[in-house]
Amino acid sequence: AQSVSQHNHHVILSEAASLELGCNYSYGGTVNLFWYVQYPGQHLQLLLKYFSGDPLVKGIKGFEAEFIKSKFSFNLRKPSVQWSDTAEYFCAVNLNTGKLIFGQGTTLQVKP
Amino acid sequence: NAGVTQTPKFQVLKTGQSMTLQCAQDMNHEYMSWYRQDPGMGLRLIHYSVGAGITDQGEVPNGYNVSRSTTEDFPLRLLSAAPSQTSVYFCASLKGSARHNEQFFGPGTRLTVL
Repeated sequence: AQSVSQHNHHVILSEAASLELGCNYSYGGTVNLFWYVQYPGQHLQLLLKYFSGDPLVKGIKGFEAEFIKSKFSFNLRKPSVQWSDTAEYFCAVNLNTGKLIFGQGTTLQVKP
Repeated sequence: NAGVTQTPKFQVLKTGQSMTLQCAQDMNHEYMSWYRQDPGMGLRLIHYSVGAGITDQGEVPNGYNVSRSTTEDFPLRLLSAAPSQTSVYFCASLKGSARHNEQFFGPGTRLTVL
């Protein structure tokens, strides 16, 4: 079965530290990849997405992600995190029309 | 546009009770879906609809019913609530069928079943 795996379940960083959250998926066909963020008490918002072209995708708030097809990975990065980045982050894969498969989520806590 | 709206925001049920979670969108999106969010499990697809009159099951459909009589509304029904259905429920909508299109999520309904 298709699945999405996020390796880090809980990450704690200090402000200005660099961030990388891992995401791997298991599916051999064409995929569209997403990172969503959920700030405390809020609903999910799209950070960035990849569907074709440049495998390095830039999103909002300084986030970026790199699609590496050979590794089935779509890792999220940010060079310097801020306290306001404290949130839960979800990687998701869209295999068919509208059906998103989510990873387990990674809780990021940024200490001021 | 209000986007995707959900009611209620919070609900407490007793085992065996039934209820309907409401979801509406004003963006004329064809595709709508329901997810449940549980700690350590991400979001799991319950049911989805590709248009009015068409629904299908997702990963975890048991215990839930849906219908799609209009483009705007996609209610989720719990027929006989169980403690295992304690969760946060999110409704989402998507325009068209393009796989790269973004899904828009509602604010969620936090459901507790005692």
